[in-house]
Amino acid sequence: GAVVSQHPSWVICKSGTSVKIECRSLDFQATTMFWYRQFPKQSLMLMATSNEGSKATYEQGVEKDKFLINHASLTLSTLTVTSAHPEDSSFYICSARDRGGELFFGEGSRLTVL
Amino acid sequence: AQTVTQSQPEMSVQEAETVTLSCTYDTSENNYYLFWYKQPPSRQMILVIRQEAYKQQNATENRFSVNFQKAAKSFSLKISDSQLGDTAMYFCAFMKHEEYGNKLVFGAGTILRVKS
Repeated sequence: GAVVSQHPSWVICKSGTSVKIECRSLDFQATTMFWYRQFPKQSLMLMATSNEGSKATYEQGVEKDKFLINHASLTLSTLTVTSAHPEDSSFYICSARDRGGELFFGEGSRLTVL
Repeated sequence: AQTVTQSQPEMSVQEAETVTLSCTYDTSENNYYLFWYKQPPSRQMILVIRQEAYKQQNATENRFSVNFQKAAKSFSLKISDSQLGDTAMYFCAFMKHEEYGNKLVFGAGTILRVKS
């Protein structure tokens, strides 16, 4: 099946710094990617929809200046958590949609802000 | 807005036995898709099974089958001959038909532990 890769899989940063997480579709082109946030033992909450070449669409309550999303190519979307704080610590998951409309998920990235 | 409810936070099953995970949803849509996803400890979400609402026949994938009751808005997952590798968190999810490949609304999840 199609492969979606996230990097890094695990990152620790100091409070106030920014962290970038990459989501790549390795064997297909993805015009649309999605970013989710997952707290321990909880469900996935959609944060934003990332469209190649245009601005991301954020879900209600998600700060777009806090969570910067860039979808610069058909195989790469990035999520930058700016001025990270401990409450931003979470598991971030991306998914990518192929041309047939199928969704494939990345392995997730665990962010810990000290 | 659509909501998905999984009322069983945790379940256990003995290896080789059968277990059923519950899911109910609320929507005013007539056409939609329902999914069960598996999230093992490795964390990567894997699609287990998909059901299209306009199809009356319940979807099956090897040991996995669903009981789709549209009128009751119920979508349970049955895992037969449970294996240790089935240990994971299972999410029920909803997607509007016209938004195929777009937004998924997830339930809270059920942690399934398969015991040897």
